[in-house]
Amino acid sequence: QVQLVQSGAEVKKPGASVKVSCKVSGYTFTSYGISWVRQAPGQGLEWMGWISTYNDNIKYAQKFQGRVTMTTDTSTGTAYMELRSLRSDDTAVYYCARDRQRTFDSWGQGILVTVSS
Amino acid sequence: EIVMTQSPATLSVSPGERATLSCRASQSVSSNLAWYQQKPGQSPRLLIYGASTRATGIPARFSGSGSGTEFTLTISSLQSEDFAVYYCQQYNNWPPEYTFGQGTKLEIK
Repeated sequence: QVQLVQSGAEVKKPGASVKVSCKVSGYTFTSYGISWVRQAPGQGLEWMGWISTYNDNIKYAQKFQGRVTMTTDTSTGTAYMELRSLRSDDTAVYYCARDRQRTFDSWGQGILVTVSS
Repeated sequence: EIVMTQSPATLSVSPGERATLSCRASQSVSSNLAWYQQKPGQSPRLLIYGASTRATGIPARFSGSGSGTEFTLTISSLQSEDFAVYYCQQYNNWPPEYTFGQGTKLEIK
């Protein structure tokens, strides 16, 4: 079955960077893009960006432009999201999701990234 | 940026009754609208896409309607497992761009 398995929780200091991973299985990695979505504690969902796993086309949400980098490794079927210059309001659960025809039909389990001094 | 507004913020309904959730877009999104369900501590789950097509494995009691700027998610007869937060999401085909509503919490009355 389709699975997206994300790396473990992270604790970072303000100003640091975090890189999280999302390893897929159960389907051909390059058949669907990956989107990243975050959710601050008690808040709603916020789309961060999308990457094509086929040709590495990328679209970042304007809010994260210049601070986020999304990449893929097709040899391992893994997507990565790096967020730099972390602030306390970046504390959130970060999800990867399979982007199938512009809807997110499978999600990773989420990674809690805590930014605290 | 397209803004998605969901109403109400919280909806209290008794099991077995019908629930109607609304989502409004700040400009037309055609039928590029999806609905997700999220339970506490879980990842969101896709319910509806294309405004009215149920995703794989979603029970028939979930239905979506609307186009343009006004959308509705209806749950015809609430089951205990349906109490959750529901998000609408608009999507643009190219370039990919997405916006979520702020969510509607469906709680037991």
